[in-house]
Formats: sequence, structure tokens, C-alpha cells
Amino acid sequence: EADIYQTPRYLVIGTGKKITLECSQTMGHDKMYWYQQDPGMELHLIHYSYGVNSTEKGDLSSESTVSRIRTEHFPLTLESARPSHTSQYLCASSENQGETQYFGPGTRLLVL
Amino acid sequence: QQQVKQSPQSLIVQKGGISIINCAYENTAFDYFPWYQQFPGKGPALLIAIRPDVSEKKEGRFTISFNKSAKQFSLHIMDSQPGDSATYFCAARRGSRLTFGEGTQLTVNP
Repeated sequence: EADIYQTPRYLVIGTGKKITLECSQTMGHDKMYWYQQDPGMELHLIHYSYGVNSTEKGDLSSESTVSRIRTEHFPLTLESARPSHTSQYLCASSENQGETQYFGPGTRLLVL
Repeated sequence: QQQVKQSPQSLIVQKGGISIINCAYENTAFDYFPWYQQFPGKGPALLIAIRPDVSEKKEGRFTISFNKSAKQFSLHIMDSQPGDSATYFCAARRGSRLTFGEGTQLTVNP
């Protein structure tokens, strides 16, 4: 079982602020993902990475950006938060040849 | 375009009963079909998964039935327990990317 961590778990912030959501995993997985999920709703892929210096946009358009400088870290940044960004953000990882995606506990973001 | 459709949206079952959740997909390129279980405040966790060359997979009280020709698959939870109360998501994989269904909120009454 993978250990994948997200910080902060909860964040309340004002409109226009820059925020970075942290995601780290300790299993050496090559592939990492960011999903956006409204409460009780389906998960939408917003970014993914197949390895260091590799990032791609997902199925759902997002104003956020990501970086992958180290294998274990995959932070997500919003340059200027807006109320429409209020949601839960889930990070996941998987082995290069693996099928299972392991999810972190999520960050609940509220933009006022 | 919703590529994986899930039903029902919510389900209430009595303890000991059978819970059935259905999913249908459109893209025949999908090659792996997992089910995830999510409790409030937690991230989803893999419950059980199946490949399209198998018609059924059972793990304990959880069974996936897969119908390739109909492009449908379902999760059956036998002897449902209050601890099974959670949101369940089906998913379909193409490459390394998962497409999720809309989710089913399952409540098992004692």
C-alpha cells in the first residue's frame, strides 16, 4: 500500500490569493495525478505526470498549474484563487506498470 | 461527454441484503475496470478490479460482474453491513488514465 500525503487538509482563503497544494508519496511511484472532486461527486482528472519534468493537462480544464521536479513531489498551484475554485483536490500515484492508483486524503479548499 | 455512466446515484439497503451498483461505458479501448470505495473525509481506495477478459471476479463479499458485449459491469456487495456505508465509484482505464463514474452513495441500515 502506498503512502501518499497531502497538505494542507483544509484551506480557507480569500479571493486573489496564491496557493500551493502539496502532494508527496514515499513509494517511488513514477506516475502522479491530481483530481478535482465536488462533495459526493465524480472525480475529474485535472493534471497528471509520468515522471520528473513531465506534466500534462487532464480531462477537466483547470486554471491551476503543476510541477514535477522530484519524483516524490507533485505540487499544484493556483496563482489567483477564486470562489469557483472551491472544491476538494485529490492527489494519487501509481507504479509505472501498475494499474492501481493510490489516493491521498485530499485537500478541501474554500475560496471566499 | 460522460464515458462511464453509473447508477443508482444513491442506494439504501438493509443489513444483510445485497447491494448492486451498475456502470456502463462507451469506449472499447478501456482495458481495466476498478471499483473504488470512499468514506467521508478520505480519499478513494481500491476495492476490487477486473479485466475485460474475465466475466466475474469475487473477493470476499464483493463481486464484479462484467459483460463485455453490453459494455456494462456491476458491483455486488453480499451480506451488506453498516460499515459498507460509503460512496462507491466505478472507473475505466485507458493507458494510465482513469475515467470515473458519477458515484453511488450507499447507506446500509442496521
